[in-house]
Amino acid sequence: QSVLTQPPSVSAAPGQKVTISCSGSSSDIGSNSVSWYQQLPGTAPKLLIYEDDKRPSGIPGRFSGSKSGTSATLGITGLQTGDEADYYCGTWDSSLSGGVFGGGTKLTVL
Amino acid sequence: QVQLVESGGGVVQPGRSLRLSCAASGFTFSNYGMHWVRQAPGKGLEWVSAIQSDGSKKYYADSVKGRFSISRDYSKNTLYLEMNSLRAEDTAVYYCARDDCTSPSCFPYWGQGTLVTVSS
Repeated sequence: QSVLTQPPSVSAAPGQKVTISCSGSSSDIGSNSVSWYQQLPGTAPKLLIYEDDKRPSGIPGRFSGSKSGTSATLGITGLQTGDEADYYCGTWDSSLSGGVFGGGTKLTVL
Repeated sequence: QVQLVESGGGVVQPGRSLRLSCAASGFTFSNYGMHWVRQAPGKGLEWVSAIQSDGSKKYYADSVKGRFSISRDYSKNTLYLEMNSLRAEDTAVYYCARDDCTSPSCFPYWGQGTLVTVSS
């Protein structure tokens, strides 16, 4: 069972917007910044968002991140079929002194 | 360009040991903390271990503490994960990742992964 809680799946039509939630606690999300990753089948994860809301160079502005208290959210607008993937949130847990990930959310673009 | 190349995976019997390597190139290895993250077949990401840029601090997930050991060789620009007393539940693709954030971790660079299968 993952420390961070994500919905197992979300879906939306092409062109629409979707949000993926990530819930934690005071020792992880509440104390540390959150990153978001996209993983296509058979490939290594790709960093989409770091430090809660920053995008690495090359990541489109359609991807956004936010955090409030012990929860974080990934938003994706203008959905494309190529966005179909698994998405993971991650952070550090100050109590565990270790990294933690969410269980992952499978995005389906209908 | 930044490259991380893992090696050392394979099939190993329960209770045996294996050492994974992650060869780093394209950046100053001594400037970055490094992590191992694994993914069991069909499952999500699981953080395994981390080592600070100067090697002074090491961190482990509870699931591997006491069995796995992380280290780094600056002369070879290589990260290692020594895995002992392997169990079936350690079966996974193991990724090494470079930590680019200080608050506290994010991974813009990952290796391609190496598969470890623990089976008799």
